[in-house]
Formats: sequence, C-alpha cells, structure tokens
Amino acid sequence: NAGVTQTPKFRILKIGQSMTLQCAQDMNHNYMYWYRQDPGMGLKLIYYSVGAGITDKGEVPNGYNVSRSTTEDFPLRLELAAPSQTSVYFCATMKTRFYEQYFGPGTRLTVT
Amino acid sequence: QQQVKQSPQSLIVQKGGISIINCAYENTAFDYFPWYQQFPGKGPALLIAIRPDVSEKKEGRFTISFNKSAKQFSLHIMDSQPGDSATYFCAASIAGGSEKLVFGKGTKLTVNP
Repeated sequence: NAGVTQTPKFRILKIGQSMTLQCAQDMNHNYMYWYRQDPGMGLKLIYYSVGAGITDKGEVPNGYNVSRSTTEDFPLRLELAAPSQTSVYFCATMKTRFYEQYFGPGTRLTVT
Repeated sequence: QQQVKQSPQSLIVQKGGISIINCAYENTAFDYFPWYQQFPGKGPALLIAIRPDVSEKKEGRFTISFNKSAKQFSLHIMDSQPGDSATYFCAASIAGGSEKLVFGKGTKLTVNP
C-alpha cells in the first residue's frame, strides 16, 4: 500500500498562475483533508471531504477549490496564486472518527 | 472557542530528562484529543490520543494527562531521547460528522545528547 501520495513535492509559481495539487490514497478511507502549514502557525484546514461527491470549507478556504469525484482522489486547485499561498500543503485521510489521520509527505509551494 | 492553545513554542531538554508540552481549550464540546509528531520534511503522524472519560493514558515513554475541569491536557515524554527531537502538535475534535481536527501551533522539541 502506498498510503497517501502527493504530487508534486515542490513547485514554484508566479503570481497569478494556477495549479492543482494532487492527493491520492489507496486505503479506501472516506474522510480526506487539505491542510496548509506555515512556520509557527500549526496546521490550518483548507477543505475537507466526508466522501465522494461531498466537500466543505475549512478554516482558510479562500483562494482554493476542491473536488472529490472518487474515493481515492482529492485534488486541491489554486486559482490566481498569491504570495500569501506560499506554504507547505498536506493532504490527510481518515477511516472514521477516533482513528488516526494519515498524512501525505507534503507539497512545498512557493509563489513569487 | 475553536482554538487549542499550545505551549511552549520550543523546548530544549537533556537526554534522559522529562519533556512536558501543555495544551488548553475552551470548547467543552471537544471530545477527542490526539497528539501528532512531525519530523522535518515529513507529514505529521499520530503519537497518542485520549478521550475525556479517562484522566491519563500511557504508551511506552509517552503519557497524556487530561484535566477536564481545567480544560487542559498535556504530553509527557519520559527519558527523552535525541530521536524524540521533532515538532509536536496537540489537537482536538468535536463529535458531529465532519470529524475535523483543530491543531495547536506546535512545539519544537530538541533533546540534547
């Protein structure tokens, strides 16, 4: 099992460009999450999904969009990238409540 | 009310010492309190978790102490080792279907040999 995979590992974007961060899981987990991690600020929830076809906003959704057409994939779309979106992005999955959230290795994004 | 406040921001401990990280919350609806450990360049991973029906949970050298009345919980690492050097995050979640975690800001632990 690969667990949670994220691509790309690193990316540099210019202001105003768009991109999609990919997240895939092979654990058949219903719950999937996107977080951003900034130094000294912990993990902030961007969007989450409780199953295919169902998504909802987290704490910091502005500037991002998601879709969940399959159980396995949960891509995060950045439109019109801004320097404030420079961060490390983590995707996570969870089987059900009180179980561990499994995190991917992260995508380090720089917007200049 | 959705915040989890974590302290200290950084902690330096000698090998063999006890590391203590504290977290406080306001929302009494929180009912699940995990701790995550993150090494540089990696995603966080679950270390240990507790539910408020118990006051303490121990797994090896790691112990969570939970004080429901004070709305505080803490992580104790006994006999700290250099391999424990990492960033630790406390978190909390609320029953209700979304299963979201609210994370503290993290504590960077350094264990000197």
